[in-house]
Amino acid sequence: AQTVTQSQPEMSVQEAETVTLSCTYDTSESDYYLFWYKQPPSRQMILVIRQEAYKQQNATENRFSVNFQKAAKSFSLKISDSQLGDAAMYFCAYKGRDTGNQFYFGTGTSLTVIP
Amino acid sequence: KAGVTQTPRYLIKTRGQQVTLSCSPISGHRSVSWYQQTPGQGLQFLFEYFSETQRNKGNFPGRFSGRQFSNSRSEMNVSTLELGDSALYLCASSLDGHNEKLFFGSGTQLSVL
Repeated sequence: AQTVTQSQPEMSVQEAETVTLSCTYDTSESDYYLFWYKQPPSRQMILVIRQEAYKQQNATENRFSVNFQKAAKSFSLKISDSQLGDAAMYFCAYKGRDTGNQFYFGTGTSLTVIP
Repeated sequence: KAGVTQTPRYLIKTRGQQVTLSCSPISGHRSVSWYQQTPGQGLQFLFEYFSETQRNKGNFPGRFSGRQFSNSRSEMNVSTLELGDSALYLCASSLDGHNEKLFFGSGTQLSVL
């Protein structure tokens, strides 16, 4: 079975600084998707960024970017110019290409932004 | 478009009771998935429904069941509640069976006393 590991339960960053959240995964599939979701106190999960495994180029969405290392099965999230609104739980997730909508999530990283 | 709507937001039950949670997906979305979120465990997949059929099922006991109606609305039922069932239950919808973007509701927080 696929597993997703987030080894940093908590992280903190100064406002306007850069922080990197780590994620590793294990799979025997060759084609899949990787995601970072943000969960603020409102509890609603919000998609931050998505990476398709067959694309070598790292995905970028404004201040958010990923470092996707397929061979190492690593998928880290970099948040640049951190803002107070970035404070939330961040979940890394995996989905196989042909497995319907069954996502595998990590245990999350709680990000605190210090003013 | 309205987002994914889950009702109720909060629920308190006692051991042995049963509970039904409701999820209305985004209009036009045909796939509905359910996840259980507990502290330290992250989100764990319960099941997915697509066009009224259960397509995937996670590793949960048979006390957890669900269904989907013709309008894509979905319900999840937990029978004979246990203390360990206390969790945030999240519903997510997506456009079709192969669209990988999930849109989540705000969840139902279930407390079992």
